[in-house]
Amino acid sequence: EAQVTQNPRYLITVTGKKLTVTCSQNMNHEYMSWYRQDPGLGLRQIYYSMNVEVTDKGDVPEGYKVSRKEKRNFPLILESPSPNQTSLYFCASSSLQGADYEQYFGPGTRLTVT
Amino acid sequence: SQQGEEDPQALSIQEGENATMNCSYKTSINNLQWYRQNSGRGLVHLILIRSNEREKHSGRLRVTLDTSKKSSSLLITASRAADTASYFCATDLYNTDKLIFGTGTRLQVFP
Repeated sequence: EAQVTQNPRYLITVTGKKLTVTCSQNMNHEYMSWYRQDPGLGLRQIYYSMNVEVTDKGDVPEGYKVSRKEKRNFPLILESPSPNQTSLYFCASSSLQGADYEQYFGPGTRLTVT
Repeated sequence: SQQGEEDPQALSIQEGENATMNCSYKTSINNLQWYRQNSGRGLVHLILIRSNEREKHSGRLRVTLDTSKKSSSLLITASRAADTASYFCATDLYNTDKLIFGTGTRLQVFP
């Protein structure tokens, strides 16, 4: 089954404790991205990657890091989480082949930083 | 500020009625997409319309795009309770690889 998986689905952590949210897709997609969703603000893109070893900043990259060492994985790293990073996070992927760039979304990771 | 903004923010209708949501954006785009999100879950792609297209259909969905007004509309005909969800437009900014989402319209369809 074609899917994007994220782990963990729920995470409560404390300020300053480094964490990683994993994202994996099994569709051989080139494009992967991370979004955060906050009430009243919709989805905002954090980082995206066009392919292995190619990453770029989205609209809200501060406080986040990413890496793309393999095509299927795109982890999101919070080196020193702060309460303002409490949010619902989504990973998404899409193919750059063909004409339609439909994004496939993971189920989301709800992060709470206290 | 957001590239895409949906209007209205919330919409309540009865089953069988049509629902229309609008999206406005600020800069030139390659294409515009509409997504649906059931409460707290991942978004699901509904339809994509390119900048050189004016109208597109998919089942009960009809999307229009007016690039001169920088706006798009999503029409859901003969709505069902299962259509209850949030709907987002997303614009693929011209000459960039970024995808910008709007703030969404919450649709409630009452049986």
